[in-house]
Amino acid sequence: DVQLVESGGGLVQPGGSLRLSCAASGFTFSTYAMSWVRQAPGKGLEWVSGISGSGISTYYADSVKGRFTISRDNSKNTLYLQMNSLRAEDTAVYYCARTPRRGIAATGTWRLDYWGQGTLVTVSS
Amino acid sequence: DIQMTQSPSTLSASVGDRVTITCRASQNISSWLAWYQQKPGKAPRLLIYRASTLETGVPSRFSGSGSGTDFTLTISSLQPDDFATYYCQQYNSYYPTFGQGTKVEIK
Repeated sequence: DVQLVESGGGLVQPGGSLRLSCAASGFTFSTYAMSWVRQAPGKGLEWVSGISGSGISTYYADSVKGRFTISRDNSKNTLYLQMNSLRAEDTAVYYCARTPRRGIAATGTWRLDYWGQGTLVTVSS
Repeated sequence: DIQMTQSPSTLSASVGDRVTITCRASQNISSWLAWYQQKPGKAPRLLIYRASTLETGVPSRFSGSGSGTDFTLTISSLQPDDFATYYCQQYNSYYPTFGQGTKVEIK
């Protein structure tokens, strides 16, 4: 069975940093692009970042560009999100999600077929 | 960015009702549209992709239609397990975006 398990969330002060991890199992990790999607308390879904199966191509929402870095270690079947210069508005549950294709194209890429259970990040002093 | 607008924001319905949710894109997205279901405290679940293709394991009472800028999600006969929030998502660009969600409540 496909499993995605996030970890690394917690309470951090504004301006601080945090690294999220997503451990994948049940599929050949390197052949799938992956994403991070977040949901602020009581709000809707916001795609944050995506990465190709090889890790070469990465994309970011404008709201996090320059502050967040997505990466992956295919030898460890793990996806990461390094979050720096955190702001109160980054408070959310962060989900990792799988895309059923390896590469990233201009259209048709980011269908998200499996999701983790999420990890809560709270940015507050 | 491509903006996605869902209507209504909240929908009250009874078990057995036919329910339709609408999603409109701010520009042509062809058929690159997905629908997700989310229950409180849970991760979203993919229901439909490519506007009308049912994800494996999703009940056939769910269906999707549309192309271009206007799309619909239909539940043919609402079941108790279907009370949830539904999101549309475009994936026509490098930067996918979601609608604001439609909460389906018990009438």
